[in-house]
Amino acid sequence: NAGVTQTPKFQVLKTGQSMTLQCAQDMNHEYMSWYRQDPGMGLRLIHYSVGAGITDQGEVPNGYNVSRSTTEDFPLRLLSAAPSQTSVYFCASSGQFTEAFFGQGTRLTVV
Amino acid sequence: GDSVTQMEGPVTLSEEAFLTINCTYTATGYPSLFWYVQYPGEGLQLLLKATKADDKGSNKGFEATYRKETTSFHLEKGSVQVSDSAVYFCAHYLQGAQKLVFGQGTRLTINP
Repeated sequence: NAGVTQTPKFQVLKTGQSMTLQCAQDMNHEYMSWYRQDPGMGLRLIHYSVGAGITDQGEVPNGYNVSRSTTEDFPLRLLSAAPSQTSVYFCASSGQFTEAFFGQGTRLTVV
Repeated sequence: GDSVTQMEGPVTLSEEAFLTINCTYTATGYPSLFWYVQYPGEGLQLLLKATKADDKGSNKGFEATYRKETTSFHLEKGSVQVSDSAVYFCAHYLQGAQKLVFGQGTRLTINP
C-alpha cells in the first residue's frame, strides 16, 4: 500500500517561478490537506479538501492554489514563488474516522 | 481560538531516562487528541491517539491520557532509547472542522 505519495522530494525555484507540488493517496480518503513546516512553528494548514470538487482555505493560504478534481489527487500550486515560501511541505489524507496519514514531504527552496 | 501548546525543546536525555513532554490544548467542543512523531528526513507518523476524556493512548512504550479537566495530553515513556530521538508533535482534531491543529513540535535527543 503506497499511502500518501508526494513529488518531488526536493525543489529549488527562483523568485517568481511557478510550480505544482503533487500529492496522491490510494486509501480512498475523503479529506486531504496541505501543511507547511517551518522551524519553531510546527505545521500550519495551507488548504484542505473534504471531497472531490470541494476545497477551503487554512491558516496560511496566500500565494497558494489548490484543486481537487479526483478523490486521489490534491495538487498544490505556487503561482509566483517567494523566498518566504521556502519550507517543507506535507500532504495528508484521512477518512471520516481515521487519523491523518502524511506523505514524506517536499523540501522547497526559493532563491 | 483552537490551539495546541507543547513543552518547548529541544529536550536531551540519557538512555533509559524517564520522558515527559507536556501538551495542553484549547478547543471548542470535544476534540480527538494525537501524538505524531517525525524521524529525521521523514514525514509524520501517528504515535498514539485518544478520542474521549480519560482515554489512554499507548504505543511503543509511550503513553498519554486525555485529561479534559486540565485540557492536557502529556506524552510519557518510562525508559527512552536512542532510537526515540525525533521530533514529537501534539495535535487535536475537531470532527466538524475537519482539520488537525498542531503544536510547534518538541525535538528529543537521546544520548547513549
